[in-house]
Amino acid sequence: ETGVTQTPRHLVMGMTNKKSLKCEQHLGHNAMYWYKQSAKKPLELMFVYNFKEQTENNSVPSRFSPECPNSSHLFLHLHTLQPEDSALYLCASHPGGATGELFFGEGSRLTVL
Amino acid sequence: QKEVEQNSGPLSVPEGAIASLNCTYSDRGSQSFFWYRQYSGKSPELIMSIYSNGDKEDGRFTAQLNKASQYVSLLIRDSQPSDSATYLCAVNLGSTLTFGKGTMLLVSP
Repeated sequence: ETGVTQTPRHLVMGMTNKKSLKCEQHLGHNAMYWYKQSAKKPLELMFVYNFKEQTENNSVPSRFSPECPNSSHLFLHLHTLQPEDSALYLCASHPGGATGELFFGEGSRLTVL
Repeated sequence: QKEVEQNSGPLSVPEGAIASLNCTYSDRGSQSFFWYRQYSGKSPELIMSIYSNGDKEDGRFTAQLNKASQYVSLLIRDSQPSDSATYLCAVNLGSTLTFGKGTMLLVSP
């Protein structure tokens, strides 16, 4: 059982739809991350939250809107997406500090038609 | 600009051989270093962490760190076809991990 849970695992949406990805961590960590990984491409950092505050936004288009209501939950709200946004979206949590590792969820596979 | 560099590969080795994966990083203040393995379509999983200069061994895996040279490597002994995956080097400065682009390893039977 993973300490980081992502839902849904698979999502298909049209370009005019609005949907959300959800991430929940059960590890008591203080930081949460969203990554995007397109097919056969490297990980792309999207957003970082520390203690519910956004500390990094890696020039992500506004059609992706993150929300972090508390240290255990992270959402990625999606609207007016493009087919090139189809990718694996990975959530990860981090305990904070300089020595901790990232714990990844299993990812949400998004397809935009 | 914090950077982590890896050769994208693929690195091809025969079964039973030693696979050597390398990573360099730009920030001398980096304090912790990780190797993740990622199978196609799956999320990365941690296989090794190292924090001080020298070698750290765990089963068939050995991580090597040289902070003076800003270099970290991963050796996989007795490589198996199931080791075929992309290996990601990650470097931690503060609370943000920076990943390299990964090296694809192919182990042929």
